[in-house]
Amino acid sequence: NAGVTQTPKFQVLKTGQSMTLQCAQDMNHNSMYWYRQDPGMGLRLIYYSASEGTTDKGEVPNGYNVSRLNKREFSLRLESAAPSQTSVYFCASSEGYGGGNTIYFGEGSWLTVV
Amino acid sequence: ELKVEQNPLFLSMQEGKNYTIYCNYSTTSDRLYWYRQDPGKSLESLFVLLSNGAVKQEGRLMASLDTKARLSTLHITAAVHDPSATYFCAVDLPTSGTYKYIFGTGTRLKVLA
Repeated sequence: NAGVTQTPKFQVLKTGQSMTLQCAQDMNHNSMYWYRQDPGMGLRLIYYSASEGTTDKGEVPNGYNVSRLNKREFSLRLESAAPSQTSVYFCASSEGYGGGNTIYFGEGSWLTVV
Repeated sequence: ELKVEQNPLFLSMQEGKNYTIYCNYSTTSDRLYWYRQDPGKSLESLFVLLSNGAVKQEGRLMASLDTKARLSTLHITAAVHDPSATYFCAVDLPTSGTYKYIFGTGTRLKVLA
């Protein structure tokens, strides 16, 4: 019953440091997503991956990179963290083909950049 | 660019009364999703509405979709034991071999004792 698992749950970074958020899903889903959630702004799409080997930019991709390592895993990297990247990050997955598929979320990663 | 707007952004509710959250979106779509998020938690799927006129109900929640008006509504009957939660609507947009999900800004609910 794992669903979507993301690590770490909490992280504090200094400005300029780098880190990678890891995400894995065990539902055999084709598509995976990274969102960030900020107060008053809902969820904004950072990057998504339609299938293994493909990635595309979402609404707010600047300052981030992603890797779709295989069908299960989709990582998000901050190369040089900035205070503006302080946020809650959610990984998600969906079936991908056809419309009307529920998107399932991980538990979230709370990132603070000081 | 697809925009998804919710209102109100905040809702203080009294037990037993009915309230409505509105979700407007800017592009043609036959599908609309509702999610709930408890404080500090992840998002949980509530409803998937797949066609014009679709209505779904679960307990004290009822959602409907009018694709011609590009509007979905979520009706809630407040209960005092309801924890504060935020409700999001989302629309999916076909792109590059999949669908991307665009979310509204959320409506934060609080039930007054």
